[in-house]
Amino acid sequence: ETGVTQSPTHLIKTRGQQVTLRCSSQSGHNTVSWYQQALGQGPQFIFQYYREEENGRGNFPPRFSGLQFPNYSSELNVNALELDDSALYLCASSPGPSGLTDTQYFGPGTRLTVL
Amino acid sequence: DAKTTQPTSMDCAEGRAANLPCNHSTISGNEYVYWYRQIHSQGPQYIIHGLKNNETNEMASLIITEDRKSSTLILPHATLRDTAVYYCIVETSGSRLTFGEGTQLTVNP
Repeated sequence: ETGVTQSPTHLIKTRGQQVTLRCSSQSGHNTVSWYQQALGQGPQFIFQYYREEENGRGNFPPRFSGLQFPNYSSELNVNALELDDSALYLCASSPGPSGLTDTQYFGPGTRLTVL
Repeated sequence: DAKTTQPTSMDCAEGRAANLPCNHSTISGNEYVYWYRQIHSQGPQYIIHGLKNNETNEMASLIITEDRKSSTLILPHATLRDTAVYYCIVETSGSRLTFGEGTQLTVNP
């Protein structure tokens, strides 16, 4: 148990729709990162938030956006869903700001299927 | 380009040591070596990390060569629950991880 939870567990959407995925970090963890994991591949970094501000972004288009709230919860929003967005979405939290050798605590993920 | 190279798969007998190699020949001086694992259908789990000295914790040992171009993760007494994909990651910051495809370790009874 990492103390990081995600909801929902599974989700099915159709192309063009919008989706919001949620993550609850450990209390006191100011950094949250989101990753996308396609089937059979390693997780790919989407972006990171530190104290409610975006603090780094991977190679993902602007239709992937996020929010982080003061209560250690966060959201990943994806607009105009495409078939290739089907993946496991993982959030990970850590105590410190980016740049430290922080241990990442991952949630169990949300499995998104786009039809 | 991938920063690390790992074998695609490995097998290990239950109770024996599992030695997982990783090559990172282009590692720079301020980059750490991290190991995470991912059991099927779960989120990745942190195992250990190091800079240049060997490290040990309750889960595993990390042996880094003197030139830092390769490392080995050692699970001293593998159990069936250690069956997972093991990722070797080289990063300056532990908070933005670049995962490769990892090594599928299968522990056999």
